[in-house]
Amino acid sequence: DQQVKQNSPSLSVQEGRISILNCDYTNSMFDYFLWYKKYPAEGPTFLISISSIKDKNEDGRFTVFLNKSAKHLSLHIVPSQPGDSAVYFCAASDGGSQGNLIFGKGTKLSVKP
Amino acid sequence: KAGVTQTPRYLIKTRGQQVTLSCSPISGHRSVSWYQQTPGQGLQFLFEYFSETQRNKGNFPGRFSGRQFSNSRSEMNVSTLELGDSALYLCASSLGTGIPNEQFFGPGTRLTVL
Repeated sequence: DQQVKQNSPSLSVQEGRISILNCDYTNSMFDYFLWYKKYPAEGPTFLISISSIKDKNEDGRFTVFLNKSAKHLSLHIVPSQPGDSAVYFCAASDGGSQGNLIFGKGTKLSVKP
Repeated sequence: KAGVTQTPRYLIKTRGQQVTLSCSPISGHRSVSWYQQTPGQGLQFLFEYFSETQRNKGNFPGRFSGRQFSNSRSEMNVSTLELGDSALYLCASSLGTGIPNEQFFGPGTRLTVL
């Protein structure tokens, strides 16, 4: 049973537009969420995180929104650039060791010039 | 600062064999976690080591094991390989454990079981 779900396997966006990647979770004990970006033949790279005590965290072009009541988070990329084309993973932790991250299956983002 | 390194990068084995994968964390990082990535299941947590002790273990059979050395380097071993073990095995290191603690991933070892 998947505790972290990324229901869109892929997303295509035009350069300069907003990319919105979504993630749903089922475990109400999760209190820390992370987004990772992965290029082919490389390991995932940490992008941005959010604690459950916040509902928004912003870092440059990347903003993560958390809706605890809906058990939903989203990553907004504005403006999208071709270099953002990658697989994006949502991950969650229940506050214990971060080594026990639960990942979604990823969304492949394609940003077209 | 050198990143997380994993060796070998690619490995081909046959069913029934065993394999050992190695991970060197970023200097100063004491926590090492291992993940298995497959197309169907995404990234799944295998285990985490901190100061040579296994702190967490994912839902994998006992054929999957690991250890961490005093210099924080880690190895994972898979015995009696099965076709389904073909995957990308990722190692991640972090300074310590607990939240927040950004994990840095290595490039992975691509294991193919024939």
